[in-house]
Amino acid sequence: NAGVTQTPKFQVLKTGQSMTLQCAQDMNHNSMYWYRQDPGMGLRLIYYSASEGTTDKGEVPNGYNVSRLNKREFSLRLESAAPSQTSVYFCASSETVGTEAFFGQGTRLTVV
Amino acid sequence: AQTVTQSQPEMSVQEAETVTLSCTYDTSENNYYLFWYKQPPSRQMILVIRQEAYKQQNATENRFSVNFQKAAKSFSLKISDSQLGDTAMYFCAFMKLSGAGSYQLTFGKGTKLSVIP
Repeated sequence: NAGVTQTPKFQVLKTGQSMTLQCAQDMNHNSMYWYRQDPGMGLRLIYYSASEGTTDKGEVPNGYNVSRLNKREFSLRLESAAPSQTSVYFCASSETVGTEAFFGQGTRLTVV
Repeated sequence: AQTVTQSQPEMSVQEAETVTLSCTYDTSENNYYLFWYKQPPSRQMILVIRQEAYKQQNATENRFSVNFQKAAKSFSLKISDSQLGDTAMYFCAFMKLSGAGSYQLTFGKGTKLSVIP
């Protein structure tokens, strides 16, 4: 069982470049999430999708867009990367009602 | 909005000893879930233990147990017989089950635990 798969694992971007982080889960979960992790800040929610066809903003959505392509896939797009978006990004999924979230291995993104 | 506070940025414990990590949270909800996640140097987020707010009995998973005090809004993690593999960052997390923002995890800032041989 692959669980939650994120690609790529590492990425370096120049300021102003765009890119999409991909996430797929094979657990038939309804809900999917994108978090960013910064030193001393814990994990903060960027966007989430409670179910296929819906997306909503989390705590820190500015500078990002998301697409819930189907039940399995949830992508995160940076249209014009900024150094403040240097972070580790985690995708996660969960059943709708209160079960634990399963996380991907994270993407370390550096914007120079 | 919910907040989760972990007041111990770093802790250390001798191998085979017991350590307790603190977590407090603030919410007006009555139904929610609480979690402890472990993040070793590999960066993978691993669920350690989960507690449903409606359950009075404290959750236990092998060497890991919680002390859940709902009235005090406290959710501490006890690790018994600490092992070198327990060295990691530990995050406390809260999930509400209804209303705006339901099923989202709100994380504390983490406690870095070092197990000393």
